[in-house]
Amino acid sequence: EAQVTQNPRYLITVTGKKLTVTCSQNMNHEYMSWYRQDPGLGLRQIYYSMNVEVTDKGDVPEGYKVSRKEKRNFPLILESPSPNQTSLYFCASSFFGVSYNEQFFGPGTRLTVL
Amino acid sequence: QKEVEQNSGPLSVPEGAIASLNCTYSDRGSQSFFWYRQYSGKSPELIMSIYSNGDKEDGRFTAQLNKASQYVSLLIRDSQPSDSATYLCAVDGNQFYFGTGTSLTVIP
Repeated sequence: EAQVTQNPRYLITVTGKKLTVTCSQNMNHEYMSWYRQDPGLGLRQIYYSMNVEVTDKGDVPEGYKVSRKEKRNFPLILESPSPNQTSLYFCASSFFGVSYNEQFFGPGTRLTVL
Repeated sequence: QKEVEQNSGPLSVPEGAIASLNCTYSDRGSQSFFWYRQYSGKSPELIMSIYSNGDKEDGRFTAQLNKASQYVSLLIRDSQPSDSATYLCAVDGNQFYFGTGTSLTVIP
């Protein structure tokens, strides 16, 4: 089954404790992206990647890191989480040719930072 | 100016009516336009994509694109309570941009 998976689905942590949210897709997509979603603010892009070893900042990259060492995986790293990073996070992927194609989303990770 | 703008709603329609959702975008070079549906706490799911001016129909859904006016709309005919969700407009550009979404409630 074609899908985007994220782990963990739910996470409660404390300020300053490094964490990683994994994202994996099995559709051979070039493009992968991370979003956070907060009430009233919609989906905001954190980082995106056009292909292996190619990443770029989105609209809200502060406090986050990413890497793209393999085509299928795109982990999101919070090296020192803070309460303002409490949010619902989505990973998405798509093919990318001459333009963007429809993105497929993972199930989401609900993160709470105390 | 935001890249993609939508009325946040909420929009309420009676069951069986037509729901009309609108979206404007700022980048005249955008080529790809998408509508996603998102239920509360769930991930967005694609319901329509449109790339050319005019209408595109898929079942009860019709997407309309007017590049000259930089306007995309989604019509939902014969609205059902299960259509109650937030609808996100998305547009390509230097990045992939989402609007903040319009909340739709279909009243039985």
